[in-house]
Amino acid sequence: QIQLVQSGPELKKPGESVKISCKASGYTFTDYAMHWVKQAPGKGLKWMGWINTYTGKPTYADDFKGRFVFSLEASASTANLQISNLKNEDTATYFCARGGSGLLSRSYFDYWGQGVMVTVSS
Amino acid sequence: DIQMTQSPASLSASLGETVTIECRASEDIYNGLAWYQQKPGKSPQLLIYNANSLHTGVPSRFSGSGSGTQYSLKINSLQSEDVASYFCQQYYDYPPNTFGAGTKLELK
Repeated sequence: QIQLVQSGPELKKPGESVKISCKASGYTFTDYAMHWVKQAPGKGLKWMGWINTYTGKPTYADDFKGRFVFSLEASASTANLQISNLKNEDTATYFCARGGSGLLSRSYFDYWGQGVMVTVSS
Repeated sequence: DIQMTQSPASLSASLGETVTIECRASEDIYNGLAWYQQKPGKSPQLLIYNANSLHTGVPSRFSGSGSGTQYSLKINSLQSEDVASYFCQQYYDYPPNTFGAGTKLELK
């Protein structure tokens, strides 16, 4: 069955960096885009961008340009999200989600990881 | 960017009741709309895509309809396990893929 398994919760200080992983199984990794979605505590969902798992090209939503990096370890069917220079407002749960439309940028999200809670606090 | 206005923000309903949640787009999104269910502490789960297509394994009491700028999610015969937050998402306009603010569904 299709699964996206993410790494565990993180507690970081402002200014530090964090790397979150998302390991896919049950399908051909390079046939579907991987998207990233942020959910601040008690808030709604915000799309961060996506990575083309075939070419490795990342695309970032406007609010996530600069400190956010999407990457792949395609041989391990894993997508990664790295956030540098962490700020208090980065405290949130970060989800990876498979693009149901294949490698298209405009897509619904048919399978989701369990989410990673990142807490930024001094 | 397209704005998605979801209503109501919260909803209280009884077991067995039919519930409708609506999403309005700021411009035509040509059925590029999905609905998700999110239970507390869990990840969102896809219910409906392309406005009216039921995702694999989703109970048939869930249905989606609409066109143009107006879309709705209907839950027939509400069950206790349907207590959750529901979000719409448009994916016609890029960037970004925009979510509605969500509807919290509780039991009366």
